[in-house]
Amino acid sequence: EVQLVESGGGLVQSGGSLRLSCAASGFTFSSYAMSWVRQAPGKGLEWVSAISGSGGSTYYADSVKGRFTISRDNPKNTLYLQMNSLRAEDTAVYYCAKSSGKGPSGVGGLNDAFDIWGQGTMVTVSS
Amino acid sequence: VIWMTQSPSLLSASTGDRVTISCRMSQGISSYLAWYQQKPGKAPELLIYAASTLQSGVPSRFSGSGSGTDFTLTISCLQSEDFATYYCQQYYSFPPIFGGGTKVEIK
Repeated sequence: EVQLVESGGGLVQSGGSLRLSCAASGFTFSSYAMSWVRQAPGKGLEWVSAISGSGGSTYYADSVKGRFTISRDNPKNTLYLQMNSLRAEDTAVYYCAKSSGKGPSGVGGLNDAFDIWGQGTMVTVSS
Repeated sequence: VIWMTQSPSLLSASTGDRVTISCRMSQGISSYLAWYQQKPGKAPELLIYAASTLQSGVPSRFSGSGSGTDFTLTISCLQSEDFATYYCQQYYSFPPIFGGGTKVEIK
């Protein structure tokens, strides 16, 4: 079964740090780009960051650039998001999401729909 | 950056109704549009990609249409399990952007 399981969320003070993890199973992890998408309470979906299958290319939303770092450990089938200098506006459910491989660049491409999502992990930043 | 307008933001409907949700882009994106369904407390689920291709396992009452700048999600006969929030997402250009969402509620 194709599955993503996030962990690492919690309550942290403004200015603090957290590291999220996303364990993948059921597919060839290293072949697909992966993303983090967040959803603030009662709000819509916001793409946060993406990483290529090899891990050699990373991308960030302007709202988190310079504070968040995405990485992956392909032998461990695990995606990470290191979040530093957290702010109240970072409070959200964070989802990891697998690129479908059906975008304009095919398997491994970053421009893509997301066909598998984790269950989400809640990050609460208190001010 | 591509701007997206999803409408309506709230749709009240009854079981058995036919409902349509619109997504309009600020520039053409060919057919690189996806639709997701999200239920309260759950992760989004991919319904449709490439504007009109149903993801495996998605009921045939869901359909998508459009290309370029104007797209539509149609639910032909609303079922009780379809009351949820729906999002469109463009993946023609990077970064991926989601529409603001449409909540389909019981009338």
